[in-house]
Amino acid sequence: NAGVTQTPKFQVLKTGQSMTLQCAQDMNHEYMSWYRQDPGMGLRLIHYSVGAGITDQGEVPNGYNVSRSTTEDFPLRLLSAAPSQTSVYFCASRVGAISNQPQHFGDGTRLSIL
Amino acid sequence: SQQGEEDPQALSIQEGENATMNCSYKTSINNLQWYRQNSGRGLVHLILIRSNEREKHSGRLRVTLDTSKKSSSLLITASRAADTASYFCATDYYNNAGKSTFGDGTTLTVKP
Repeated sequence: NAGVTQTPKFQVLKTGQSMTLQCAQDMNHEYMSWYRQDPGMGLRLIHYSVGAGITDQGEVPNGYNVSRSTTEDFPLRLLSAAPSQTSVYFCASRVGAISNQPQHFGDGTRLSIL
Repeated sequence: SQQGEEDPQALSIQEGENATMNCSYKTSINNLQWYRQNSGRGLVHLILIRSNEREKHSGRLRVTLDTSKKSSSLLITASRAADTASYFCATDYYNNAGKSTFGDGTTLTVKP
């Protein structure tokens, strides 16, 4: 099993550009989420999904969109990149919303906005 | 904010010593999780402790939970240089749709 796979691993964008960060999991997990991690800090929740077709906002959703058309995939879209979005982005999945199970994380996408 | 708080922010010890880090939170939880993050990598789950549990072990790791004090601790015994990493606690608050709230982490350095 690959677990949670994120692509790309690194990306440099110019202000105003858009892009999609990909996330896929092969564990048939219902719950998926996106976090950002800024230097020296913990993870902050951007968006999450409790199942295919259902998404909701987390703590810091502005400037980001998500969709969940399949159980496996949960892409994160930056609509118009801003320097404040320079960060490391992590995708995670878990069995279900109320499962008392841990989250499984990808290795992250390191994004720089110039 | 419901965010958990961890202390210390940084901890430096010698190989073979024990390392203890603490996590406090603010409201009722379903469970609390501990994760490790090596530099430049994603988070790896260590231990999940449910709200009705008081202590869990996994190898050299021991996690305690005191719901009356809204706090948890992670003890790493006989530390090794390979334990050098950042450690995060995450709480699943009651009635919060499974969303986990992360602390800012403790950076542990184990000197050989």
